[in-house]
Amino acid sequence: NAGVTQTPKFRVLKTGQSMTLLCAQDMNHEYMYWYRQDPGMGLRLIHYSVGEGTTAKGEVPDGYNVSRLKKQNFLLGLESAAPSQTSVYFCASSRSRTSTAGGFFGPGTRLTVL
Amino acid sequence: AQTVTQSQPEMSVQEAETVTLSCTYDTSESDYYLFWYKQPPSRQMILVIRQEAYKQQNATENRFSVNFQKAAKSFSLKISDSQLGDAAMYFCAYRSAGDRSSRLTFGEGTQLTVNP
Repeated sequence: NAGVTQTPKFRVLKTGQSMTLLCAQDMNHEYMYWYRQDPGMGLRLIHYSVGEGTTAKGEVPDGYNVSRLKKQNFLLGLESAAPSQTSVYFCASSRSRTSTAGGFFGPGTRLTVL
Repeated sequence: AQTVTQSQPEMSVQEAETVTLSCTYDTSESDYYLFWYKQPPSRQMILVIRQEAYKQQNATENRFSVNFQKAAKSFSLKISDSQLGDAAMYFCAYRSAGDRSSRLTFGEGTQLTVNP
């Protein structure tokens, strides 16, 4: 089992460029999440999905879009990158709402927007 | 909305000593879960320990234990016999048992340094 994987691990963008971050999990988890980590602010939820074909906004959704076309994949898109989106992005998954586990995290993607 | 606060941005401890990291949270719910995550320089988020709010007994995992004070909404992490490999950022996190999203709400983090 690879667990939760993220692609790419590092990326540098120029302001206005677009990109997609891919998250994949092989644990057949229903729930998937995208968080961003900024210094002094912990991890904040961007968007989440409670099942294939569903998405919902989290705490800081502006400037991002997501899609969950397949159960194992959760894509995070930046249509027009801004320097404020420079951050480390984490994908996580969880088996179900009744799971007592906190969630399984990917290795993170460090994104720099110039 | 629930909030999680870690009031210690940085802590340090001597190798083999004991250190306690603080976490407080605010919620109106009675059923929830609390977690401590470790993030070493590799960035990987590693679950250290979890506590279910309806369990009065404090969770323990080897050298890691928690002091869960439900009435005070406090959830501290004690690391005994600290090792160099314990040096990392530590995050406290909350999850509501009733929230459909099962999302985690994180504190700001505490950077732990272990001195040899």
